[in-house]
Amino acid sequence: QKEVEQDPGPLSVPEGAIVSLNCTYSNSAFQYFMWYRQYSRKGPELLMYTYSSGNKEDGRFTAQVDKSSKYISLFIRDSQPSDSATYLCAMSFTGANSKLTFGKGITLSVRP
Amino acid sequence: DGGITQSPKYLFRKEGQNVTLSCEQNLNHDAMYWYRQDPGQGLRLIYYSQIVNDFQKGDIAEGYSVSREKKESFPLTVTSAQKNPTAFYLCASSDYRGRSTEAFFGQGTRLTVV
Repeated sequence: QKEVEQDPGPLSVPEGAIVSLNCTYSNSAFQYFMWYRQYSRKGPELLMYTYSSGNKEDGRFTAQVDKSSKYISLFIRDSQPSDSATYLCAMSFTGANSKLTFGKGITLSVRP
Repeated sequence: DGGITQSPKYLFRKEGQNVTLSCEQNLNHDAMYWYRQDPGQGLRLIYYSQIVNDFQKGDIAEGYSVSREKKESFPLTVTSAQKNPTAFYLCASSDYRGRSTEAFFGQGTRLTVV
């Protein structure tokens, strides 16, 4: 079993839809959970960062962590064509400023 | 502007050649990382360094080498021992001592074996 599993996609939704992206993991020692957004041929950029279980909201984005189920989610409300990108979940033992273990990424396309 | 600069953006290698990818940061970060990205594979850690003159192997270090002689520079050499080097290579840095909570990525180098 891989340490981090992410829905493979791709995912295509109409503009304005609510998007749900998910990852599961096997190592209960992970404490820090991140979502990165990567546009084509660019480096990833940090979108959301959460420590331990709970929810975190930033504008149209909500990150959710359920450590008991080893499951994390990213919700995007009122999706826009500019949200079209690859989304990678990542996690670490000691923080976002340390070596990260990534999911494979899912490519999202938001249709106008 | 502060950030991470990777060069070149595109690189072509002949079979049996070593090539070196450059990564420079002016963020005064202690830690630097090299990741490899293949289609549908996410990012996999090659090497990382938390301090000058010290580095550790990541999950897929075979066929790669690095050096960390200066805080701002962390070059990656892809050697002829790396059997499948065609990939997108990403360098990152972070303030390892915890003053920030983010790893910053460069824009990547796409390496192709010809």
